[in-house]
Amino acid sequence: AQTVTQSQPEMSVQEAETVTLSCTYDTSESDYYLFWYKQPPSRQMILVIRQEAYKQQNATENRFSVNFQKAAKSFSLKISDSQLGDAAMYFCALAGSNYQLIWGAGTKLIIKP
Amino acid sequence: EAQVTQNPRYLITVTGKKLTVTCSQNMNHEYMSWYRQDPGLGLRQIYYSMNVEVTDKGDVPEGYKVSRKEKRNFPLILESPSPNQTSLYFCASSLSVSGSYNEQFFGPGTRLTVL
Repeated sequence: AQTVTQSQPEMSVQEAETVTLSCTYDTSESDYYLFWYKQPPSRQMILVIRQEAYKQQNATENRFSVNFQKAAKSFSLKISDSQLGDAAMYFCALAGSNYQLIWGAGTKLIIKP
Repeated sequence: EAQVTQNPRYLITVTGKKLTVTCSQNMNHEYMSWYRQDPGLGLRQIYYSMNVEVTDKGDVPEGYKVSRKEKRNFPLILESPSPNQTSLYFCASSLSVSGSYNEQFFGPGTRLTVL
C-alpha cells in the first residue's frame, strides 16, 4: 500500500524567512509523481509544485522548491522569503499507477509578521 | 472561466435522508474524483472516474455512490447518510485519463453535517 506521512502538524516562520516542510512516502513503484498542494483559509486547493520521480532535478516554482530524495523516499518543500499569503495548510500527495492520489495529513504553516 | 463547481456549498441534514452533491467542470476533463477531508487525516479518495460510464472505488467508498453519465458531471450520492459522513467534500478534475499524474483542479468544497 502507498502511504504519505507529514510529521509536522504545524510550523511557524517569521515573514521573509525560509521554512521547510517535511514529507515522507512509501511506494513499491518506480515511476510515480509527487505533489505539494496549498489550502488557504478559503479552503480552495491549489497546486504548488509537482515532481516526477524519474527526474533527478528538483522542481522549482518561484519561491517554492523541493528536495526530492528518491532513495530515502523524502519530498520536502522549501518556501523562501515567506510571505503572509503563504499561510495555509500544505498537503503532500503521491500518485502511482493506480490512478489514485494518496494524501498526507497536512502541515499548518503560520507566518509571523 | 475554467472551473469546477459544487453544490450545495453547505448542507445540514439528518440521518437516512438521501442527498446528492453535484459536481460539474467546464474544462472538458476526462478524469474526475471525489475526496473527503477530515482533520488529521488529510484528503481521502472516495471514487474516481476516468471517462464517461467508467468509475472506480477509492480508499473510502462505503456509503457513497457516483455516476458519470456525462463528461462534465460527476454527482456524489449518499443514499442513507450517517453522522460519520460529516465532512468536507471536494470534487476535482484533471485533463487526462491518467488524472492522478497531472494537476487536479478542485471545486470549492461542500461542508456536510449529518445529524
